[in-house]
Amino acid sequence: AQTVTQSQPEMSVQEAETVTLSCTYDTSESNYYLFWYKQPPSRQMILVIRQEAYKQQNATENRFSVNFQKAAKSFSLKISDSQLGDTAMYFCAFMKPPSGNTPLVFGKGTRLSVIA
Amino acid sequence: DTGVSQDPRHKITKRGQNVTFRCDPISEHNRLYWYRQTLGQGPEFLTYFQNEAQLEKSRLLSDRFSAERPKGSFSTLEIQRTEQGDSAMYLCASSVGDPHYNEQFFGPGTRLTVL
Repeated sequence: AQTVTQSQPEMSVQEAETVTLSCTYDTSESNYYLFWYKQPPSRQMILVIRQEAYKQQNATENRFSVNFQKAAKSFSLKISDSQLGDTAMYFCAFMKPPSGNTPLVFGKGTRLSVIA
Repeated sequence: DTGVSQDPRHKITKRGQNVTFRCDPISEHNRLYWYRQTLGQGPEFLTYFQNEAQLEKSRLLSDRFSAERPKGSFSTLEIQRTEQGDSAMYLCASSVGDPHYNEQFFGPGTRLTVL
């Protein structure tokens, strides 16, 4: 069974600074998908960024980028130029093949606070 | 609004009562997922559908839980004889079922409190 571990329960960052959230996972699959989801306080979860395991290039979405280390089974999220609206729970998630539309396995989350 | 909707948003019930939640996915999304999220934890998978077919059920889903998706549109999740341990946020998500576009879109959730 796949597992996802987020070792930082809480983090804080000053506005405009950069922060990195850690995620490790365990799987015997060779191809899979990894995601970072954001859950703002009292609001629904939204996708931040997605990475396909067979792609070596790290995904980027504006201020959000990942450092995907397949051999180390590590998938960290970097948020640049942090904004107050980035305050949220961040969940790392794994999706196994074959179809790429199977249930997500989530980590326990990291609560990020952006401080003005 | 074309997002995933869930009803009710909050439900308070007494132990032993039955409750039913509804999820309306984004139209044309053929995959629908149910997750449960307890305080301080990430969501945990319960079950999912492709159209009206229930493809997989988690071991978390005891015999007291049942889910349906008649006609492949909305879905219901019923919990019979609720227990205090059932208190959680129940999340619904949907996706198009395309392996190249596999983002799951989440609803706002139904928060269940069992007294």
